[in-house]
Amino acid sequence: GAVVSQHPSWVICKSGTSVKIECRSLDFQATTMFWYRQFPKQSLMLMATSNEGSKATYEQGVEKDKFLINHASLTLSTLTVTSAHPEDSSFYICSARGGKGAQPQHFGDGTRLSIL
Amino acid sequence: AQSVTQLDSHVSVSEGTPVLLRCNYSSSYSPSLFWYVQHPNKGLQLLLKYTSAATLVKGINGFEAEFKKSETSFHLTKPSAHMSDAAEYFCVVSGVNQGGKLIFGQGTELSVKP
Repeated sequence: GAVVSQHPSWVICKSGTSVKIECRSLDFQATTMFWYRQFPKQSLMLMATSNEGSKATYEQGVEKDKFLINHASLTLSTLTVTSAHPEDSSFYICSARGGKGAQPQHFGDGTRLSIL
Repeated sequence: AQSVTQLDSHVSVSEGTPVLLRCNYSSSYSPSLFWYVQHPNKGLQLLLKYTSAATLVKGINGFEAEFKKSETSFHLTKPSAHMSDAAEYFCVVSGVNQGGKLIFGQGTELSVKP
């Protein structure tokens, strides 16, 4: 149980284009979803937290106009990297959590984004 | 404030020998603690969690961790390493009153030699 599906797993695109990444909880309702960015050989950096039906809360230093997050349902959240540039190339990982309190987060398999 | 420190950035063991990955935490409250594993180019998989029940927590794939409040530690162990255990391991504490945010350690890379 507690499966999170992230799509696509790998994307390469030209500078200036926008890229959408989907995160779905397949067998539970995700009241909260999280988006992380991970640089090589480093730990995960939280970008934003989103609750279903409300605006995402962004961490300090993360541009909300650059990284658009939508959490329209209890099973789907999307991250759109707008006008992507090479410095946006990274490994993006989503996670989802059902309920409240000490419930663990369940992670997707990540999306490798390469901007040429 | 809460924090997590993984004491080793890299651990190397031989197949069949015990594994010990060390983690210390800092928290003003009774914490929720987790160990996650990440294989290359993959997301994180939950190994085990501590949420103030039994101090010895058993997880998947033969891993277990012991919560020691007096030492503020939550070390991960496994009696016998397998080649498939080679991966990055993260010790994580759940932020209190922070909407379930996770605070990650810097990770420990486990290598398993044949």
